[in-house]
Amino acid sequence: DAGVTQSPTHLIKTRGQQVTLRCSPKSGHDTVSWYQQALGQGPQFIFQYYEEEERQRGNFPDRFSGHQFPNYSSELNVNALLLGDSALYLCASSLGGARDGYTFGSGTRLTVV
Amino acid sequence: AQSVTQLGSHVSVSEGALVLLRCNYSSSVPPYLFWYVQYPNQGLQLLLKYTTGATLVKGINGFEAEFKKSETSFHLTKPSAHMSDAAEYFCAVSPNTGGFKTIFGAGTRLFVKA
Repeated sequence: DAGVTQSPTHLIKTRGQQVTLRCSPKSGHDTVSWYQQALGQGPQFIFQYYEEEERQRGNFPDRFSGHQFPNYSSELNVNALLLGDSALYLCASSLGGARDGYTFGSGTRLTVV
Repeated sequence: AQSVTQLGSHVSVSEGALVLLRCNYSSSVPPYLFWYVQYPNQGLQLLLKYTTGATLVKGINGFEAEFKKSETSFHLTKPSAHMSDAAEYFCAVSPNTGGFKTIFGAGTRLFVKA
């Protein structure tokens, strides 16, 4: 049973560039949430996608955008990268809401130089 | 608004000793409560959850937690620590109505001494 798959695992980008991170949810899950985890901190909610729509958003600027496809996979896009965007980006999937908890991927480590 | 406070960024115990990781939450609506564990360079793994019903919940790897509404707490315990329990632990809260955002605490790193 495949869990949540994220790609790439590591990425190095230059300030001002754009990046796209990808996530395939666990089989049977229809909801994808994205989190940013800075070093030594807890995950911070970016947004959640359900039925191809952004259902809720955290306190992140518009530079952060996303998409969910009909097969429930999702992308996170970040434009105009800043040094402060360096973090582990985690994708979490669930069925519907959060009642049963999330299944997390191993994350994408983004370094902005 | 919801928030989660984990008391103690680092906890150190001896192998075989009791593990107690503290979590207090704030929520304007009845919450769902969770504990997750994160090993180095990995994602988070669900340890246990409280949704409704019995306030003492049991999870994987011998962990359990008790929901105390009057204290707005959801502390995580394990009777006997094992070296393999060394990891980062996160408490999280999600509304069971009116929202979909799961909020995580800052985490507590558990060290287990031989």
